[in-house]
Amino acid sequence: KAGVTQTPRYLIKTRGQQVTLSCSPISGHRSVSWYQQTPGQGLQFLFEYFSETQRNKGNFPGRFSGRQFSNSRSEMNVSTLELGDSALYLCASREEVTGSDGYTFGSGTRLTVV
Amino acid sequence: GNSVTQMEGPVTLSEEAFLTINCTYTATGYPSLFWYVQYPGEGLQLLLKATKADDKGSNKGFEATYRKETTSFHLEKGSVQVSDSAVYFCALTDTGTASKLTFGTGTRLQVTL
Repeated sequence: KAGVTQTPRYLIKTRGQQVTLSCSPISGHRSVSWYQQTPGQGLQFLFEYFSETQRNKGNFPGRFSGRQFSNSRSEMNVSTLELGDSALYLCASREEVTGSDGYTFGSGTRLTVV
Repeated sequence: GNSVTQMEGPVTLSEEAFLTINCTYTATGYPSLFWYVQYPGEGLQLLLKATKADDKGSNKGFEATYRKETTSFHLEKGSVQVSDSAVYFCALTDTGTASKLTFGTGTRLQVTL
């Protein structure tokens, strides 16, 4: 079974630009979540999608948005990039709706904003 | 709100030493508890989990017991290897918003020969 696939692995963008990151979950997994990892703030929850609906959202500005498609693939978008958006963005998928199952994470997209 | 507190790292051990990484949590209800591991340049891998009080999660020689009375989920391994060098994260999901993981700050483990 293929794991969670995130593309691209690395990205360099300029302040003010926008970026779209992609995540393909494990086949059969309908829940997809996104996390931001930085040295200063650690791992922070961005949002979670289930069956194309955003079910939960973290405390990030509206510049951060996401969506999920009917095949469960998900994208997140960051508009008007700031230097502080430089981070590792991790996507995770899960099959069931309860919290007792652990998430499976992808290898992440490392975004650098210059 | 929910929170997870982990011991500060880095933790440096010699190969075959005993490992303990402390983790305590604050949550409402009965959370599920997890340990994830992150190797350099990679994402997070689920190491083990426990979903109710007194459950013991175990995997690859690592163990952790869900202690509700002390709100703890300490990670232990009897004999570490150089290949265990990584960052370890304790995390929880609560029953109210089960779709969100709350992580600790991570503990870096370095194992030397």
